[in-house]
Amino acid sequence: KAGVTQTPRYLIKTRGQQVTLSCSPISGHRSVSWYQQTPGQGLQFLFEYFSETQRNKGNFPGRFSGRQFSNSRSEMNVSTLELGDSALYLCASSKNTDTQYFGPGTRLTVL
Amino acid sequence: QKEVEQDPGPLSVPEGAIVSLNCTYSNSAFQYFMWYRQYSRKGPELLMYTYSSGNKEDGRFTAQVDKSSKYISLFIRDSQPSDSATYLCAMSEALRGAQKLVFGQGTRLTINP
Repeated sequence: KAGVTQTPRYLIKTRGQQVTLSCSPISGHRSVSWYQQTPGQGLQFLFEYFSETQRNKGNFPGRFSGRQFSNSRSEMNVSTLELGDSALYLCASSKNTDTQYFGPGTRLTVL
Repeated sequence: QKEVEQDPGPLSVPEGAIVSLNCTYSNSAFQYFMWYRQYSRKGPELLMYTYSSGNKEDGRFTAQVDKSSKYISLFIRDSQPSDSATYLCAMSEALRGAQKLVFGQGTRLTINP
């Protein structure tokens, strides 16, 4: 059974640009959550989607947004990038009644 | 004060030692408790999860939850160099429905051969 996949794995952008990250959950998993991981703040919850609806949202500014498609694949978008957005962005999927399984992450560097 | 506190270490022990990793938390609504292991440049890998208070054992790993003290632990017996990684505790208020994991800072563990 394939795990959670995330693309791209690495990304370099400059301040002010926007970026879109993609996540494909484990087959049969309908819930997708996104987390930001930084050395200073650790892992922080961004948002969670289930059946194309955002069910939960963390304390991040509106520049961070996401969506989920009918096949459960999800994308997150960060607009007007700031240096502090440099982080590992992790996607996790679950069946909604089970624990979350993480992908390898996308490492975003903002210059 | 953070909802979940975890000593970031680093923790270095000899091979074969028993390792104890701990987290404390302040939110009494947490009901589900997880331990993840994260190797460098990888995503977190689920090791153990427990519901409410009690112990759970899986091979060399034992997870303990004491809700009265708001304290959880992970014990690793007969530690191996391959156990060297960052260990993250995570908690949530509800597993069914909307999910939001709250993580500790992670403890970096090194097992020396």
